[in-house]
Amino acid sequence: QQQVKQSPQSLIVQKGGISIINCAYENTAFDYFPWYQQFPGKGPALLIAIRPDVSEKKEGRFTISFNKSAKQFSLHIMDSQPGDSATYFCAASDQAGTALIFGKGTTLSVSS
Amino acid sequence: DAEITQSPRHKITETGRQVTLACHQTWNHNNMFWYRQDLGHGLRLIHYSYGVQDTNKGEVSDGYSVSRSNTEDLPLTLESAASSQTSVYFCASKGDRGDEQYFGPGTRLTVT
Repeated sequence: QQQVKQSPQSLIVQKGGISIINCAYENTAFDYFPWYQQFPGKGPALLIAIRPDVSEKKEGRFTISFNKSAKQFSLHIMDSQPGDSATYFCAASDQAGTALIFGKGTTLSVSS
Repeated sequence: DAEITQSPRHKITETGRQVTLACHQTWNHNNMFWYRQDLGHGLRLIHYSYGVQDTNKGEVSDGYSVSRSNTEDLPLTLESAASSQTSVYFCASKGDRGDEQYFGPGTRLTVT
């Protein structure tokens, strides 16, 4: 049973456009929702994260939108750049532990 | 600077052999994790530890074991390597106060 579902699997965006990646979760005990960015040959690195007490968090060009009632959250990348081309993973963890449950990932390509 | 390292970075082994992947972190983090990354599956949790002498099974623990004898290290052992265990393995660590998991550079394991 997949607890965190991520879509789309791949995404191609023009430079300067908006990239949107969506995730849905099932476990209502989840209370921490990070997004990780991974470049080829590297380990994932935390990009931005949110807790369910807020509906939106923005850091530079990256924004997480969170809908608790729908059990969905999304990553928006504004003014997408070729350097943003990477694989993005959403994840979630619950109050009882710190182990993360990851989505399957989205490969983003930003064309110049 | 504090860091998390994995060794070896690449390993080729034969079916049936025992293999141990090393993970070492210098942050003095209590929480350590092992994930495997496969195309189409994202990152899946293998084992994790919340402190010395503590180990827990994750989603895909069959055929793997870990031991935690000190804070800095969490080696992952494949008791009898199988072709299905060909994957990229990532180790991560997390402090007790913050939420962020820090990932190592990964080990690419091929079982022939």
